[in-house]
Amino acid sequence: QKEVEQNSGPLSVPEGAIASLNCTYSDRVSQSFFWYRQYSGKSPELIMSIYSNGDKEDGRFTAQLNKASQYVSLLIRDSQPSDSATYLCAVNRGAGSYQLTFGKGTKLSVIP
Amino acid sequence: GAGVSQSPSNKVTEKGKDVELRCDPISGHTALYWYRQSLGQGLEFLIYFQGNSAPDKSGLPSDRFSAERTGGSVSTLTIQRTQQEDSAVYLCASSRQGTTNEKLFFGSGTQLSVL
Repeated sequence: QKEVEQNSGPLSVPEGAIASLNCTYSDRVSQSFFWYRQYSGKSPELIMSIYSNGDKEDGRFTAQLNKASQYVSLLIRDSQPSDSATYLCAVNRGAGSYQLTFGKGTKLSVIP
Repeated sequence: GAGVSQSPSNKVTEKGKDVELRCDPISGHTALYWYRQSLGQGLEFLIYFQGNSAPDKSGLPSDRFSAERTGGSVSTLTIQRTQQEDSAVYLCASSRQGTTNEKLFFGSGTQLSVL
């Protein structure tokens, strides 16, 4: 069973703090990793993708990947109330596969 | 179109009835995906189209579910003899070429309620 695990939350952080979202995956051959943000009642939108070990930064967002530990995380610096949403971790199942496996998501609440 | 369009946005049906859900992808996108999101669950992959063919339909939960895509554009997901466990949000997504690292653009979904 290929799985992607996330803490469901809610994760509450004060405005301006760093929010840390974590994800583990079970399929060792996974190649591509994504973070989607989903506002309540809306569709998911891609915010970060990462393919190699290490950190990838984009504005206030940093994705971190550790394939040996099968772990991917998303850091949000200077959190804003507008960041309050559910964050979905998604993993590609391997070379030649077009199927993304999603975690259940972590609900983030940024308190003003 | 400007984005992925799905219709209807909401569908209420009685158990045992058939339903059709429609997806109109972004113009020029060759890859199209159907996902299902149940309450408190992650997105569940249903089927993937490349053009009009479906090389991966491994996620369809039963033979009551089928999908087709015509003209490399619009797709229809059909659920026959609906059951209460089919109640979920059905999301369609498209991408430019369907390569494994591509960004998926999601539609706003169809909320299906089976009474």
